Amino acid sequence: NAGVTQTPKFQVLKTGQSMTLQCAQDMNHEYMSWYRQDPGMGLRLIHYSVGAGITDQGEVPNGYNVSRSTTEDFPLRLLSAAPSQTSVYFCASSKPGQLNTEAFFGQGTRLTVV
Amino acid sequence: GNSVTQMEGPVTLSEEAFLTINCTYTATGYPSLFWYVQYPGEGLQLLLKATKADDKGSNKGFEATYRKETTSFHLEKGSVQVSDSAVYFCALSDRNNQGGKLIFGQGTELSVKP
Repeated sequence: NAGVTQTPKFQVLKTGQSMTLQCAQDMNHEYMSWYRQDPGMGLRLIHYSVGAGITDQGEVPNGYNVSRSTTEDFPLRLLSAAPSQTSVYFCASSKPGQLNTEAFFGQGTRLTVV
Repeated sequence: GNSVTQMEGPVTLSEEAFLTINCTYTATGYPSLFWYVQYPGEGLQLLLKATKADDKGSNKGFEATYRKETTSFHLEKGSVQVSDSAVYFCALSDRNNQGGKLIFGQGTELSVKP
């Protein structure tokens, strides 16, 4: 019953530090995505992947890198953290096809950059 | 580009009151429409969806009808409970669902008082 698992749940970084947010899903979903949630702005897409080895940029990709070496894992890397990256990050997965459009979300990672 | 606009919150209601949260969208073609709910400290979970015009999605007493003529997908519930307190997000995906990408509204926080 794991679904989408994100680690860590909370993280504090200093400006300029790098880190990786982990995301894993056990539902064999082809699609995976990263969103950030900011007050009054809903969720905005950072990067997404349609399958292992294939990634693309979303609405707000600057300052973030992703890779997808396996179907299960989709880590998000912050190269040099900035205070503007303080946010709650959500990973999601789903299956292709118009009828299989439910996205499953992890519980989120709350990141603070000081 | 595609976008979603929700009514601003927070919304505070008494138990058993009627709920409406407005959602309108801008999109080319025929998107799929969703309502996601986020309970405190958790990730998002799908509440209901509609994939074509005039479809009605329903779940847990909530319902929303896909109105293409008014480009709307308003969420309604006849009698809210304290346990419905959460943040509600309206979202859309394009018809092809390529990449599982979702576009979200800003979110509406609902607080139900006993």
